[in-house]
Amino acid sequence: IAGITQAPTSQILAAGRRMTLRCTQDMRHNAMYWYRQDLGLGLRLIHYSNTAGTTGKGEVPDGYSVSRANTDDFPLTLASAVPSQTSVYFCASSERDNTEAFFGQGTRLTVV
Amino acid sequence: GQNIDQPTEMTATEGAIVQINCTYQTSGFNGLFWYQQHAGEAPTFLSYNVLDGLEEKGRFSSFLSRSKGYSYLLLKELQMKDSASYLCAVRDSNYQLIWGAGTKLIIKP
Repeated sequence: IAGITQAPTSQILAAGRRMTLRCTQDMRHNAMYWYRQDLGLGLRLIHYSNTAGTTGKGEVPDGYSVSRANTDDFPLTLASAVPSQTSVYFCASSERDNTEAFFGQGTRLTVV
Repeated sequence: GQNIDQPTEMTATEGAIVQINCTYQTSGFNGLFWYQQHAGEAPTFLSYNVLDGLEEKGRFSSFLSRSKGYSYLLLKELQMKDSASYLCAVRDSNYQLIWGAGTKLIIKP
């Protein structure tokens, strides 16, 4: 692994299903983030973690949850997917809170 | 509320110079970032400004005026590969990043 990796790269999901998007980084960065990107809108922060063991809510946290059990992994869970969660999801990391961020390749999620 | 404004789309010619503007209104200021995002790809870091003035990095330069809440990204000697979206982001007093919607730059031969 080099940098930050997300899985899956794309997914079609039935509404009401539970889904976990995976994110792993090997840069030993303290801070990690989940964003969603929708056409015509800027990146919107869903949840963040400034260090392992801590998480915080971003601008659009409803319907999503995260955990940060260790430095490397930061999974995002949709408990019961809805069509409005159709989006491209980016995981990112930085050495400290909001210094230069490195992004994963994104997960394109379609909820039908 | 907090707000970042950028033009939605710009068109420029290969070999020319283009300036992409970003104005912001945020609760506090702790730095401004520019990222490049090619279609279907992840954003990648271009520049960071925290003090007023111009930061030059090869063909790309970024300018900041904190008193005016204004920044621009200057791209010189445009190449076709510069066709991308350019995202402006401001770090506020809580060290949270506020993102603009991005400027789609189209380069024509």
